[in-house]
Parts: sequence; C-alpha cells; structure tokens
Amino acid sequence: AQKITQTQPGMFVQEKEAVTLDCTYDTSDPSYGLFWYKQPSSGEMIFLIYQGSYDQQNATEGRYSLNFQKARKSANLVISASQLGDSAMYFCAMGPGLAAGNKLTFGGGTRVLVKP
Amino acid sequence: DGGITQSPKYLFRKEGQNVTLSCEQNLNHDAMYWYRQDPGQGLRLIYYSQIVNDFQKGDIAEGYSVSREKKESFPLTVTSAQKNPTAFYLCASSGGLRNEQFFGPGTRLTVL
Repeated sequence: AQKITQTQPGMFVQEKEAVTLDCTYDTSDPSYGLFWYKQPSSGEMIFLIYQGSYDQQNATEGRYSLNFQKARKSANLVISASQLGDSAMYFCAMGPGLAAGNKLTFGGGTRVLVKP
Repeated sequence: DGGITQSPKYLFRKEGQNVTLSCEQNLNHDAMYWYRQDPGQGLRLIYYSQIVNDFQKGDIAEGYSVSREKKESFPLTVTSAQKNPTAFYLCASSGGLRNEQFFGPGTRLTVL
C-alpha cells in the first residue's frame, strides 16, 4: 500500500520569499510518480508538478520545483518568490508509475497563507 | 476548450434519497475517477474507471455506485446507504503524457 504524509498543517510565508512544503511517502513499488496539486478556496485541484521515480533530475515548472530525495523517500515542493495568489491548500500525491488508470493516494495537505 | 465539467455545483438532498452527480470530460481521456473530500482533509478515492463499461472500487466505495457507458461521462450516485454523504466531490480524468489527473470544479453535497 502507498502512503503520503504531509506533516505541516499550515504555514505563513512573506510575499516574495520562498517556501518549502514537506512530503514523505512510503511504497514498495519500484516505479512510481509523485504529484503536487494546489487547491484554492474555489475547490478545484490544479496540477503543479510531477516527478517520476526514475527521473535523474529534480522537476521544475516555473516557480515550482521539487526536491526529490529518493533514499529519504521525500518529495518536497519549493515555491519561489511567493505571491498572494499562492495562498491555498497544497496536496502531495503518488501513483504507481506511468500507467493508464493511475490511482493517486493523497496526503492530508498543507495550507499556505502568503502575507503581504 | 477542453476540460472537465461537474454539475451541479451545489446540491442539497433529504436524508434517505439517492442523488446523482454528473461528470463529463472532453479531453479524450480513457481513465476517470471520483474522489470525496471532507473539510480540512485530503482526497479519498471512491471509484475509478480505466475504460468504458469497466470500473473498480476505490478506498471508500460503500454507499456509492457509478456507471461508464460513454468515454466522456462518469456519473456518481450517492445512495441512501451512504451514512455520511455531506462532502465535496471531485471528478478527475487522466491520459496525458505523465498521466497526471485533471480535475473538475467539484460538487458540494449537503444532506439536510
């Protein structure tokens, strides 16, 4: 069984500063994918970034980067230059690699509030 | 524009009634999913479908039913057997290069 743990229930960050959101995972599958989603107050889930277990380099997407440490089973999200619009819930998720019908297991989420 | 639509956005029902939540996608994705989210918590998988006319139970399928008669549509019925149905329901589909899931805007169900 796969498990995702997000230990930070909530965080404050100053506008324009960077913030790191923690995510640890547990799986016995050799091939897996890690995802981060943003959920604003509207409720919709927005895909941010993906990291495959065999990817050699850490994933980056604009202001989002993923600090992937396979041996420690962690996949922390780094948001650089925080903006007020980054205030939202953030969820880490994992699935069993690139396959159709990829079921995702979600963590409990971290609420981020960006202060002006 | 391609995307996923869910209707209605808000739904109220009386205890003991069945209710069906709609989910439609025009992304040409094979796989579709239903999740439930309770306040302040993460998402839990109810049902998923990898292909038309086939679906599997997720982690919390009891009290729910689905059908997948068309590739574009994956309706969820919340039956009277679901003991605590008040929640936010999210539908998703996947089929991209990384197989990431794309989500609809959600339906907020309240049982009165």
